[in-house]
Amino acid sequence: ILNVEQSPQSLHVQEGDSTNFTCSFPSSNFYALHWYRWETAKSPEALFVMTLNGDEKKKGRISATLNTKEGYSYLYIKGSQPEDSATYLCAFINNAGNMLTFGGGTRLMVKP
Amino acid sequence: EAGVAQSPRYKIIEKRQSVAFWCNPISGHATLYWYQQILGQGPKLLIQFQNNGVVDDSQLPKDRFSAERLKGVDSTLKIQPAKLEDSAVYLCASSLDGTSTDTQYFGPGTRLTVL
Repeated sequence: ILNVEQSPQSLHVQEGDSTNFTCSFPSSNFYALHWYRWETAKSPEALFVMTLNGDEKKKGRISATLNTKEGYSYLYIKGSQPEDSATYLCAFINNAGNMLTFGGGTRLMVKP
Repeated sequence: EAGVAQSPRYKIIEKRQSVAFWCNPISGHATLYWYQQILGQGPKLLIQFQNNGVVDDSQLPKDRFSAERLKGVDSTLKIQPAKLEDSAVYLCASSLDGTSTDTQYFGPGTRLTVL
């Protein structure tokens, strides 16, 4: 069983604050890491797919970094807005297969 | 482009009853996935189809869950009989070809409550 952990489980920030959270995964046999955003009552939405150690991806105010040697990825949100309120999920794939193993998610709430 | 469609959005049943969920993936996507997401946990893959063949069903409780994708397009997931612990959101996703870096596009999910 692959262990993918996300921290913190939940986070409350004020509008305008920058924030970040962590996804930890097994460092051996890494193949890819996916980040998704899941707003309440909507479909999970893909943010990034990361494959290379040291990868950095950016989409608007959201960015992510990847360290495959130590087994973690950070997701950063700059200047949080209420519309960023959602659960952020990471999912790991090792090179033994193509099944996504999801972490439990970080629930972000941004107060206006 | 239309997204992944699922129905129903919500379902409440009593334990030991049967229930079925339907998914229509994005047109042209060969790979279809069913996930179970229990409150407080991440989604767990139940079954993955490539066209109308099963790629992975290792986490599907086959004594009560079944799924099919007969013509390689729509899919149904059935639970028979349901247990209390089956209360969850059931998500369907599709991707173009199912490779490890392929983006999966999710439907809105079906929230099942078993009483």
